[in-house]
Amino acid sequence: AQKVTQAQTEISVVEKEDVTLDCVYETRDTTYYLFWYKQPPSGELVFLIRRNSFDEQNEISGRYSWNFQKSTSSFNFTITASQVVDSAVYFCARKSGGYNKLIFGAGTRLAVHP
Amino acid sequence: DAGITQSPRHKVTETGTPVTLRCHQTENHRYMYWYRQDPGHGLRLIHYSYGVKDTDKGEVSDGYSVSRSKTEDFLLTLESATSSQTSVYFCAISESPDHYEQYFGPGTRLTVT
Repeated sequence: AQKVTQAQTEISVVEKEDVTLDCVYETRDTTYYLFWYKQPPSGELVFLIRRNSFDEQNEISGRYSWNFQKSTSSFNFTITASQVVDSAVYFCARKSGGYNKLIFGAGTRLAVHP
Repeated sequence: DAGITQSPRHKVTETGTPVTLRCHQTENHRYMYWYRQDPGHGLRLIHYSYGVKDTDKGEVSDGYSVSRSKTEDFLLTLESATSSQTSVYFCAISESPDHYEQYFGPGTRLTVT
């Protein structure tokens, strides 16, 4: 199976630190889509971003930024000046086959301490 | 927020009993999915539907069946619940082929004793 690997199981930082969550994917496709989701302690899953393989521009949204590098098959997520509200489990995912199916990584639990 | 509800939100059941979880959407999205979430595994696809009465198996479908008789409802049935099916179950929906992200329901925590 073409996997999505999030090697960092847990990360702990102090508020205002920058933190990067790593995501490495496997694919044989020339066209593919990558995603990040956030799962706060309340349990819901929140869609953050979709990135297609044609667009290698970095994306920035407020304190969040995403670095997509096809050469290393990575789609990393950086939170700048982290806040306690950023504490959550973050999942990276890749579109897999038809019908918009997704394969998820195991997730990275981020704890931001005051 | 996408209009997705799941019922029940919590359930405790005994080994060997059948259990049905319901996912209801108000978005008229064509695709629907059932996942389970377990520590260390992320989310794993159980079954999915690409239209009314059109369903297919996902990665971890053994012991589960699904049905979709209406666009808005997708049912997941555990035919004979086992302790290994204790998990959090999420339903998700996705729109047309041009919109690839999935939106998730609030989840159902199922405990099989």
